[in-house]
Amino acid sequence: AQSVTQLDSQVPVFEEAPVELRCNYSSSVSVYLFWYVQYPNQGLQLLLKYLSGSTLVKGINGFEAEFNKSQTSFHLRKPSVHISDTAEYFCAVSLMEYGNKLVFGAGTILRVKS
Amino acid sequence: ETGVTQTPRHLVMGMTNKKSLKCEQHLGHNAMYWYKQSAKKPLELMFVYNFKEQTENNSVPSRFSPECPNSSHLFLHLHTLQPEDSALYLCASSQGYLAGGPYEQYFGPGTRLTVT
Repeated sequence: AQSVTQLDSQVPVFEEAPVELRCNYSSSVSVYLFWYVQYPNQGLQLLLKYLSGSTLVKGINGFEAEFNKSQTSFHLRKPSVHISDTAEYFCAVSLMEYGNKLVFGAGTILRVKS
Repeated sequence: ETGVTQTPRHLVMGMTNKKSLKCEQHLGHNAMYWYKQSAKKPLELMFVYNFKEQTENNSVPSRFSPECPNSSHLFLHLHTLQPEDSALYLCASSQGYLAGGPYEQYFGPGTRLTVT
């Protein structure tokens, strides 16, 4: 069965600094990959997804992620964060043959400080 | 109302109570989901309904009983819960589930459940 590991439970960063949130997955077959964001008191919202093609995926709010098959990673990056990016970020994976059943990581809380 | 709505937003119940959580989606989707979100743990998929039929039951205890009367509404009936059932319960919907996709899942804001 596939699994997702988010290596950092919390990432503090100053405003306008770059940030990387790490995600590794394990699966013996090809997968789809997703990043979701959860703002306080809200549900999850899709940031970006990798289905196929270019390994660099751009999403909303200036975020991007790079799929690395050899390292089974899908790290999320933003070159300059804002206070409003403070939220919890979830990496998720689904099998290509069963693309609608998501397996989530435990989440990373991004705290942006002024 | 737009998107996915959930009521109530907060619920406190005793271990012997019976209560229900409600989810409604205004997106015309065919699949609906219940997830459990506990602190510092991954989201756990509980149930999936596709065209009102249950297609996933992720070994959920019988004290949680889902109901999907139509593609727009999903309920989670709760009875004789345990304190460890305290969590945020999220509802989601997507255009499809079993065939095609992957379809983006749209989440509601959740119901914060506390079992005393």
